[in-house]
Amino acid sequence: EDKVVQSPLSLVVHEGDTVTLNCSYEVTNFRSLLWYKQEKKAPTFLFMLTSSGIEKKSGRLSSILDKKELFSILNITATQTGDSAVYLCAPGEFQGAQKLVFGQGTRLTINP
Amino acid sequence: GAVVSQHPSWVICKSGTSVKIECRSLDFQATTMFWYRQFPKQSLMLMATSNEGSKATYEQGVEKDKFLINHASLTLSTLTVTSAHPEDSSFYICSARTGFGNQPQHFGDGTRLSIL
Repeated sequence: EDKVVQSPLSLVVHEGDTVTLNCSYEVTNFRSLLWYKQEKKAPTFLFMLTSSGIEKKSGRLSSILDKKELFSILNITATQTGDSAVYLCAPGEFQGAQKLVFGQGTRLTINP
Repeated sequence: GAVVSQHPSWVICKSGTSVKIECRSLDFQATTMFWYRQFPKQSLMLMATSNEGSKATYEQGVEKDKFLINHASLTLSTLTVTSAHPEDSSFYICSARTGFGNQPQHFGDGTRLSIL
C-alpha cells in the first residue's frame, strides 16, 4: 500500500526563521515527487522533483529528493507571514493513471 | 498559465438533491482530470481519474453511481453527486494536467458542499 508521511505535522516559528519540512514515501511506479502549498482553497504547485540530489530553488524556497532513501525536504529561508499554509508532499505514480498520493501535510504558522 | 477554474465555490442543498460541479482548464488542454475529496484538516483523497473521451477510473471505495464523472472535452470535466446526503458534505477539488511531458497537476479552487 502506498504511504506518504510528512513531518512535522505542525510547526510554529517566528518571521525570519528557516524551516525544513520532511516527506518520506513508499509509492509503487514512482516517477516524480511534487510539493504544493495550500492556503484557504486549493493547492498551488511549488516544485516537481524527478532526479535525486538535484536541488530546485524558487526564491526563498528550495527542495531536494533522495530516491535511494525515499525522502524529500522542502526548505524555506527568511520566512514571512505569507508563508503560513499547509505544505503537501505528493509522490506521483506515473504509469497509466498518473496519480498523486498526498501526505497529510505540514501546517506551518509564521508569527510576526 | 495553467489556470483551472472550478464552479460553484460553495453550495448548500437539501438531502436527496443532485449537485453538479464543473472543472475547467482555462489556458491549456487537460487530457486528464482528477477529482479529490478533502475533509477538515485532512489531506486530499483521490476519488477518480478521468481521461477525455473515456470512462472515469474510480478509486477503491468510491461509488461510481453516486459520483458521476463526465470528461467530454479537453477543457471540461463535471462531477455530479447524486442524491446527496449529509455524509457527502465535504470539500471537493479538481485538478487537471496536460498529457504532454511530465507535467504537474494544477488545481481548481475547490467546492464546499454542504448537505442539510
